[in-house]
Amino acid sequence: AQKVTQAQTEISVVEKEDVTLDCVYETRDTTYYLFWYKQPPSGELVFLIRRNSFDEQNEISGRYSWNFQKSTSSFNFTITASQVVDSAVYFCALSEPGKGAQKLVFGQGTRLTINP
Amino acid sequence: GAGVSQSPSNKVTEKGKDVELRCDPISGHTALYWYRQSLGQGLEFLIYFQGNSAPDKSGLPSDRFSAERTGGSVSTLTIQRTQQEDSAVYLCASSLALLGQSFAGANVLTFGAGSRLTVL
Repeated sequence: AQKVTQAQTEISVVEKEDVTLDCVYETRDTTYYLFWYKQPPSGELVFLIRRNSFDEQNEISGRYSWNFQKSTSSFNFTITASQVVDSAVYFCALSEPGKGAQKLVFGQGTRLTINP
Repeated sequence: GAGVSQSPSNKVTEKGKDVELRCDPISGHTALYWYRQSLGQGLEFLIYFQGNSAPDKSGLPSDRFSAERTGGSVSTLTIQRTQQEDSAVYLCASSLALLGQSFAGANVLTFGAGSRLTVL
């Protein structure tokens, strides 16, 4: 069965620190997609990244970077030089093909607080 | 519309009453999803629509929950005889499921702001 684990329930850091949010997933399939979404206080989830299972290259987008490691079934998210506006709940999610499998399975989320 | 619209944004109801939650997806998005987010919890899948049909309703927690979609657009999630454990934020999302795409799970979902339901 599909499962996503975000072991860090809450993280609090001071502005400008780097922070890494962990995501570990379980799947029996060789073809799947991984996602990160951000949920700011407004409540609306915002898409950050999608990665397919065949692309293990790390990705960097500004202060955000993602480390995909199939060997450890992890898809970790790092924010460099964090800012107060990064405060939000971050969700990692997994989707895999198959009959009826048209849904994302989300982790429990990590609440990130960036203090000024 | 420009984004996914959900109404009401907040609903307080008494135990045993029926409620309807509405979702207006992005124009042209053929796939529509309902998720539930309970306090301090992750997102729990409820149901998925492709057009007006629901190929996957495996997440509906009981027969008190139902959903429909008409005209390939607006969807309504109905909860009958509400219970206190139904209190949660109900999130709707839509995506552009491209014709011929065999794996719709690759689609990026656009979420609405949610409907917060409180059952007293």
